[in-house]
Amino acid sequence: ELKVEQNPLFLSMQEGKNYTIYCNYSTTSDRLYWYRQDPGKSLESLFVLLSNGAVKQEGRLMASLDTKARLSTLHITAAVHDLSATYFCAVGSSGSARQLTFGSGTQLTVLP
Amino acid sequence: SQTIHQWPATLVQPVGSPLSLECTVEGTSNPNLYWYRQAAGRGLQLLFYSVGIGQISSEVPQNLSASRPQDRQFILSSKKLLLSDSGFYLCAWNRDRVLSGNTIYFGEGSWLTVV
Repeated sequence: ELKVEQNPLFLSMQEGKNYTIYCNYSTTSDRLYWYRQDPGKSLESLFVLLSNGAVKQEGRLMASLDTKARLSTLHITAAVHDLSATYFCAVGSSGSARQLTFGSGTQLTVLP
Repeated sequence: SQTIHQWPATLVQPVGSPLSLECTVEGTSNPNLYWYRQAAGRGLQLLFYSVGIGQISSEVPQNLSASRPQDRQFILSSKKLLLSDSGFYLCAWNRDRVLSGNTIYFGEGSWLTVV
């Protein structure tokens, strides 16, 4: 059974600071996704990572994937208040094109 | 471009009452369709997925059911709601596109409160 663990679950940080969210998964996978969820809203796709060493960046967010370590990171650079949200990683089961297993989410609060 | 709609957006239902949530996808054909549930402050749990009309796979045994009467329509139902059915229900879709990573896209969600 594929298990996905995120840490930290809760993160408060000051504006302008850097931090990293970690996503570990238990079995081989060929797909790793990051989503953002604002309070009371649906999930917005941020990144999809498909190969070992993949790195993608959008604004102040950068995601990377290490398939050998079964680890993905979401790095936040110079945080701003607008980044406050819950961030989920999700992992696709190897061999299945269709199903994802989600982490528990990291609730990020950026303080002024 | 593709869009996904689900309704109603919010509903409050008494215990033991029936439920019907609907979801439609536009701008694509033969999508994979999904129902997820998110309990308050929790992660997402896959309830059902469908790869074609009339084809439903259930991930979690419970008092909910799903149906896909048309290619781009997915319905979540219950005959008798329980308090534990309260949560945020999300419909989602994707296509089997390996190059794009088969990214799953979510609808706006439906807030269900069972009282």
